[in-house]
Amino acid sequence: AQKVTQAQTEISVVEKEDVTLDCVYETRDTTYYLFWYKQPPSGELVFLIRRNSFDEQNEISGRYSWNFQKSTSSFNFTITASQVVDSAVYFCAPGGNMLTFGGGTRLMVKP
Amino acid sequence: DGGITQSPKYLFRKEGQNVTLSCEQNLNHDAMYWYRQDPGQGLRLIYYSQIVNDFQKGDIAEGYSVSREKKESFPLTVTSAQKNPTAFYLCASSESGGNSPLHFGNGTRLTVT
Repeated sequence: AQKVTQAQTEISVVEKEDVTLDCVYETRDTTYYLFWYKQPPSGELVFLIRRNSFDEQNEISGRYSWNFQKSTSSFNFTITASQVVDSAVYFCAPGGNMLTFGGGTRLMVKP
Repeated sequence: DGGITQSPKYLFRKEGQNVTLSCEQNLNHDAMYWYRQDPGQGLRLIYYSQIVNDFQKGDIAEGYSVSREKKESFPLTVTSAQKNPTAFYLCASSESGGNSPLHFGNGTRLTVT
């Protein structure tokens, strides 16, 4: 089983700033998955990305990018040129049968 | 469109009453989950089911019960034994267990007074 830690409980930026959300994980498994989800004010969580332990390539999707580094056990999420619509709670979550989420990071993007 | 439907969106009950939250999915997913979220908190797993007629307790199952009689339905009953039932409840499904992405419903906000 894996465990994730998001040390940043709340981040506030001004629109157009870049922002990185940190995620550190612990696992004894050699094969594992990690996820990022977004929870906007409406409440419904939206899946953003899944990464497996075999693939350390960085992923980019528009203004979103993810940096997965096994050497530092991190799976960080960067939003480039943030927008007000990016304001949400972001969860990094482990895979496995007992899919438990941590507290997430609340991102506030001010105009 | 495929998705997960939770109803109702808001639910109010008196203390001591059992209440059942509905969750239906038409994604043909095998696994379904119930989470509880308190204000400013993360998601805590209540129950999950990987197959029809089978389910397992999560981190905070006490005071809750579930059933999985059909693949597309996973209702959650909040019993009077749950000490602090007021919360936001989220249902989710995935193709095959925790290594598949979760698809979430819109949630039910339960208030017990």
